[in-house]
Amino acid sequence: SQTIHQWPATLVQPVGSPLSLECTVEGTSNPNLYWYRQAAGRGLQLLFYSVGIGQISSEVPQNLSASRPQDRQFILSSKKLLLSDSGFYLCAWRTETQYFGPGTRLLVL
Amino acid sequence: DQQVKQNSPSLSVQEGRISILNCDYTNSMFDYFLWYKKYPAEGPTFLISISSIKDKNEDGRFTVFLNKSAKHLSLHIVPSQPGDSAVYFCAAISGNQFYFGTGTSLTVIP
Repeated sequence: SQTIHQWPATLVQPVGSPLSLECTVEGTSNPNLYWYRQAAGRGLQLLFYSVGIGQISSEVPQNLSASRPQDRQFILSSKKLLLSDSGFYLCAWRTETQYFGPGTRLLVL
Repeated sequence: DQQVKQNSPSLSVQEGRISILNCDYTNSMFDYFLWYKKYPAEGPTFLISISSIKDKNEDGRFTVFLNKSAKHLSLHIVPSQPGDSAVYFCAAISGNQFYFGTGTSLTVIP
């Protein structure tokens, strides 16, 4: 069966520090992968999606970036975090529906 | 622009009664709709879906209704249980993208 992993589960970072969140998928090949953010009291905002290695589509211009170095690995990064980057970050993969990872809670202070 | 909208941020229902969660959309190209359930600090979990060629899909206590002419879908939970208390997101698919509503927080009162 397919499994999606995200780490870390929780992260507290100072403003201006870099960020790297990792997502890996098991049990499938060539999945469509997605990064979402849920800010406090708000819905799910699509940040990036990828249909293959090295293919990234950005939905929201901001100081975040994404990379897909391997088929089942999706990384969300930032060179300098902002306070507004705080939120709950979710990785997801898709077949007919979309399955989410456990999420990473990021607090930028 | 929010293409999928959930206009009720919260809903409280007595245990055993029906919960009805509503969702409206604007894009007539959406061909598949889904409902997700989310507990705090966890990823959303898939609940039920419906294709645009259908108007109803049922799975146990959960039923999703789709009214394409009104661009409206709803999730019915009967009977509601305290464990159903969570945030519910509706979503619509167009191509590779999923569009999510802002969520409705359901509280089932014992």
